[in-house]
Amino acid sequence: GAGVSQSPSNKVTEKGKDVELRCDPISGHTALYWYRQSLGQGLEFLIYFQGNSAPDKSGLPSDRFSAERTGGSVSTLTIQRTQQEDSAVYLCASSLYEGKNIQYFGAGTRLSVL
Amino acid sequence: QKEVEQDPGPLSVPEGAIVSLNCTYSNSAFQYFMWYRQYSRKGPELLMYTYSSGNKEDGRFTAQVDKSSKYISLFIRDSQPSDSATYLCVLGDGDTGNQFYFGTGTSLTVIP
Repeated sequence: GAGVSQSPSNKVTEKGKDVELRCDPISGHTALYWYRQSLGQGLEFLIYFQGNSAPDKSGLPSDRFSAERTGGSVSTLTIQRTQQEDSAVYLCASSLYEGKNIQYFGAGTRLSVL
Repeated sequence: QKEVEQDPGPLSVPEGAIVSLNCTYSNSAFQYFMWYRQYSRKGPELLMYTYSSGNKEDGRFTAQVDKSSKYISLFIRDSQPSDSATYLCVLGDGDTGNQFYFGTGTSLTVIP
């Protein structure tokens, strides 16, 4: 079946602009995660959605970052007033949450802020 | 101290070598131990999954977990140039919603 789909695969924007990154998880997966991966760094947790529960936003680095998950499926990560330090690969993962809890990752969105 | 420690490398080996990748951790609550492989400009993909101490083998790959020492390893036998990637250890405690803890990844290059 289809894996986790992220779009766009690459995004170049100017400093100060807003960007939206999209994640389409594997069908039936109730848990969805957003991570940021900077060059030479590990994965940095941003936000976690599980079913209809309130999201865990503890990893969002500033109030310029927000995320939504509509209908328990597709998620959008929004970065407002982008800064150069926001340049990174943004990875989305989904999991079943029950049983053998394994994350499946998308290919990521490579964001470059000029 | 980070929850999970992983040597970032880079690690460079000749084709056919045995590769050993390692992570240490501090939280004894971790129950799930995973290794992901990430090729350049791709997302991480699951390579191995274990939830107990001991060894698990899959082809040329062996995952080893030592809970008493809080130490996990991934061994690659007869390494191939196609194994060149970054390898991430990922641990899970299963008790909280956001339950995955990541190593920083080890960059491996297998030289033909």
